[in-house]
Amino acid sequence: KQEVTQIPAALSVPEGENLVLNCSFTDSAIYNLQWFRQDPGKGLTSLLLIQSSQREQTSGRLNASLDKSSGRSTLYIAASQPGDSATYLCAVPNSGNTPLVFGKGTRLSVIA
Amino acid sequence: GAVVSQHPSWVICKSGTSVKIECRSLDFQATTMFWYRQFPKQSLMLMATSNEGSKATYEQGVEKDKFLINHASLTLSTLTVTSAHPEDSSFYICSARDQYSPNRNTQYFGPGTRLTVL
Repeated sequence: KQEVTQIPAALSVPEGENLVLNCSFTDSAIYNLQWFRQDPGKGLTSLLLIQSSQREQTSGRLNASLDKSSGRSTLYIAASQPGDSATYLCAVPNSGNTPLVFGKGTRLSVIA
Repeated sequence: GAVVSQHPSWVICKSGTSVKIECRSLDFQATTMFWYRQFPKQSLMLMATSNEGSKATYEQGVEKDKFLINHASLTLSTLTVTSAHPEDSSFYICSARDQYSPNRNTQYFGPGTRLTVL
């Protein structure tokens, strides 16, 4: 059974810092990996999706990497801003047809 | 494109009543939709997989007679919480897969429905 772990559970940084969020998964036979953002009381916003054949994806100040063999992914946020404060969730399906297995998330606070 | 809506966005009901939540894919067809539940400060947990035209598949520990799922068309799945109790209070989120998309295994999430049972 796939398990997804995210470290740290919470992170507080001053504005402008670069930061890294970590995600690990137990079964490396994944189809893709997604990073989501969730604001308090809100739904999910998809940030980046990395296919199993890819090593990384970039969108603006966000860069996600994937190392399937070691079961790890990182989300790099450059020049953090207070508006980046949210919970960041990592999720993987085991195959294209199965639903996503989510980590518990990293709660990020960027202090102005 | 690839928008998923949920209705209602929030609902408050009395204990013992039933509540129906709708999940719609607005601009694509979804043969499969997923229902997740999220308790406060917890992650999303899959409740069931909803397949158009057939019975839903429930995860272990989820009562199928309590959480009724109907997927009668390619754009609509409904989740009915029957005889709701305060412990059913949670954030319910659906997702849908666009089977005709080039990246057809991408799931698109609805905005969620917050259920509070008094």
